[in-house]
Amino acid sequence: DAKTTQPNSMESNEEEPVHLPCNHSTISGTDYIHWYRQLPSQGPEYVIHGLTSNVNNRMASLAIAEDRKSSTLILHRATLRDAAVYYCILRDTAGGTSYGKLTFGQGTILTVHP
Amino acid sequence: DAGITQSPRHKVTETGTPVTLRCHQTENHRYMYWYRQDPGHGLRLIHYSYGVKDTDKGEVSDGYSVSRSKTEDFLLTLESATSSQTSVYFCAISESYSINQPQHFGDGTRLSIL
Repeated sequence: DAKTTQPNSMESNEEEPVHLPCNHSTISGTDYIHWYRQLPSQGPEYVIHGLTSNVNNRMASLAIAEDRKSSTLILHRATLRDAAVYYCILRDTAGGTSYGKLTFGQGTILTVHP
Repeated sequence: DAGITQSPRHKVTETGTPVTLRCHQTENHRYMYWYRQDPGHGLRLIHYSYGVKDTDKGEVSDGYSVSRSKTEDFLLTLESATSSQTSVYFCAISESYSINQPQHFGDGTRLSIL
């Protein structure tokens, strides 16, 4: 599986934008970039995913570099509730049948200050 | 929020005893997964199911068995619990194995084996 690299931790202030980076220099053409987050004492929560184009949803935006070797999750206005561990995950279709396993790395711990 | 209920939420038991964790979903999703989360290892897949009575092993399946007799229930059993199985266990569901389908997670079961 292609590997992702994320900073161990980041800090932000409430109501400010947050840009969470992820490097995936060995990404293949069939890898989708997924982001999940995990709030304290909860299970992981799906945030967003994309292949090549930038993506937006109600939770966040995903900006994907043109060469796809990096991506950035953007929280437009951080709230205290956004304090969580954010995971950048590559999911691959290559090889046909995939049982959908998610491979979680260590993620980025986001702290949001009031 | 996806309708996923894990039970029990917390359990303390002794080495050598059998333990069964239950995952119940109300979404009628075909795929169900059991993960464990440990410090330094992230989430790791134990077993998964792709339909009633259809299950297969994940990456850390030794010491665990699963059963799925109904679409809505996926049971994880530790036949003879060991201290190394102390962990937080998460159940996840998805409509299909497609990498475009997110997985939705329950809130976890914290299991301590003394």
